[in-house]
Amino acid sequence: QVQLQESGPGLVKPSETLSLTCAVSSYSISSGYYWGWVRQPPGKGLEWIATIYHTGNTYYNPSLRSRVTISVDTSENQFSLKLSSVTAADTAVYYCARGTMIRGFDYWGQGTLVTVSS
Amino acid sequence: QSALTQPPSVSGSPGQSVTISCTGTSSDVGNYNRVSWYQQPPGTAPKLMISEVSNRPSGVPDRFSGSKSGNTASLTISGLQAEDEGDYYCSSYTSSSTVVFGGGTKLTVL
Repeated sequence: QVQLQESGPGLVKPSETLSLTCAVSSYSISSGYYWGWVRQPPGKGLEWIATIYHTGNTYYNPSLRSRVTISVDTSENQFSLKLSSVTAADTAVYYCARGTMIRGFDYWGQGTLVTVSS
Repeated sequence: QSALTQPPSVSGSPGQSVTISCTGTSSDVGNYNRVSWYQQPPGTAPKLMISEVSNRPSGVPDRFSGSKSGNTASLTISGLQAEDEGDYYCSSYTSSSTVVFGGGTKLTVL
């Protein structure tokens, strides 16, 4: 059973950079699949942030592209998200997930709440 | 990119069928058979229920089915059960090589 676990600070100050890591177990990232981040503001819907292929090809939500970086570390079997210049609007539960651009995300982490506040 | 359009809420009694629609454009839903549906009970991560318009992943009951016509995809749940309550989201691959989600639909089992 593939497992994903998000980690990172639960509180980030406005204008700073949000950094999250997703550790993957029971599956080697270098074996394939795409790996992505999805967020959900409190009480609102899902928003796709970015996806990366194990070879390093990246895909970004156009509305967040200028602030987002997704990367993969196959040696540690994990991938990461950086979101710069955060504001209160970036407060959300952030999920990492495995999937493909065609067939959707089949495995998800439990999600981690990140609050942007001074 | 604009979010796909879903009804805010639907409801049905146990045993009945309900259908949730997901309307996009010719740049996403209408141009690709790459629509997925997710179920999200309160306080939990989304679960993939349907991929590529109508394919059910292993373990998903056959009460769940998907279809598409033009720019609108649909999820039908037949033989409604109390455990089906929650939020449902559609998503689609787009012509810009991105992914877009719908706004979500709250399913209430009466």
